[in-house]
Amino acid sequence: DGGITQSPKYLFRKEGQNVTLSCEQNLNHDAMYWYRQDPGQGLRLIYYSQIVNDFQKGDIAEGYSVSREKKESFPLTVTSAQKNPTAFYLCASSITGQGQGTEAFFGQGTRLTVV
Amino acid sequence: AQSVSQHNHHVILSEAASLELGCNYSYGGTVNLFWYVQYPGQHLQLLLKYFSGDPLVKGIKGFEAEFIKSKFSFNLRKPSVQWSDTAEYFCAVSRYSSASKIIFGSGTRLSIRP
Repeated sequence: DGGITQSPKYLFRKEGQNVTLSCEQNLNHDAMYWYRQDPGQGLRLIYYSQIVNDFQKGDIAEGYSVSREKKESFPLTVTSAQKNPTAFYLCASSITGQGQGTEAFFGQGTRLTVV
Repeated sequence: AQSVSQHNHHVILSEAASLELGCNYSYGGTVNLFWYVQYPGQHLQLLLKYFSGDPLVKGIKGFEAEFIKSKFSFNLRKPSVQWSDTAEYFCAVSRYSSASKIIFGSGTRLSIRP
């Protein structure tokens, strides 16, 4: 089955620890995205990547980092600098830059709880 | 910077009622527009999209949306809702360029009374 796999589904971490969320896609999509979903705030873009070895900051990149060493993988690290990391994180991918009319496909999400 | 506004945070309807969810965006150039739905416990999925052509677009499950360029709006409609339409709905926009990001609204939670 083609799709986007995020793991784990639930993640608990102690305050002050870095944590990495996994996102893998087998859709052969060039572009990948990370969003954060909080109640009443919709989806906010953290980082996006249009091509391997390149990525851009989204609207709320502070306290997060990413890498794009392989086309199919786009891991997100939530660092200790992120002031409010508890949230639901969604990974997405699309065929090319979305400006050409291609929609994003989403994974099931990872719910991160920092205690 | 582009942004998306969804006017209704929570809408409660009875089955068979008509639905209209508002969406306005703030970018003056050519845009792509989307409505996504998130059913409880499921991942986000595309309801419908507008790229060009007929401003009235039809999506899955009887949903449709109308692009009104002069009003910067892309409202979602359904003539008769069902209990299974209970979900959260997100409007989204991207600029029509070769390297554009997609921006989402804050979402509208739809609750249908059986």
